[in-house]
Amino acid sequence: DAGVTQSPTHLIKTRGQQVTLRCSPKSGHDTVSWYQQALGQGPQFIFQYYEEEERQRGNFPDRFSGHQFPNYSSELNVNALLLGDSALYLCASSLGVTGNTIYFGEGSWLTVV
Amino acid sequence: AQSVTQLDSQVPVFEEAPVELRCNYSSSVSVYLFWYVQYPNQGLQLLLKYLSGSTLVKGINGFEAEFNKSQTSFHLRKPSVHISDTAEYFCAVTFPTSGTYKYIFGTGTRLKVLA
Repeated sequence: DAGVTQSPTHLIKTRGQQVTLRCSPKSGHDTVSWYQQALGQGPQFIFQYYEEEERQRGNFPDRFSGHQFPNYSSELNVNALLLGDSALYLCASSLGVTGNTIYFGEGSWLTVV
Repeated sequence: AQSVTQLDSQVPVFEEAPVELRCNYSSSVSVYLFWYVQYPNQGLQLLLKYLSGSTLVKGINGFEAEFNKSQTSFHLRKPSVHISDTAEYFCAVTFPTSGTYKYIFGTGTRLKVLA
């Protein structure tokens, strides 16, 4: 049973650049959420995708955008990178939007220099 | 607004001693409650969850938590810890909003088990 997979695992970008992170949900799951975890902090909710639509969004600027594909996989895009965007980006998946358990991937470490 | 507070940022404890990690939440609606564990350089792994029913919930690795509605708490406990329990622990709540559910995580408690 494949869990949540994310790519790439690590990447380094320069300020002002753009980055795309990818996520495949756990087998059987159709809902994907993205979180940003800064060093020493808890995960902060970015947005949630269900049925290829953004269903809710956290307190993040429009530089953060996403997409969900028909196979339920998802991408997180961040434009005009800032040093403060350096963090672990976690993808989580679940079945539906019922409030049940969300399962996390190992994350993508983004360093902005 | 809903919020989660983990009162202790770090908890050192000796091996084989009991431990309690505290979590309090604030919400005007019913919530579901979770504890996740994060080992170094890894994602979050579910320890246990409370959705309904018995207020004492048992999870993996010998952990348990008790939901106390009157005190709005969901403290995590283990009667005897091991070195391998050293990790970051996150409490989370989820609640219905705008046709879906939103998850909020606490800031985490770093458990350090000492030999």
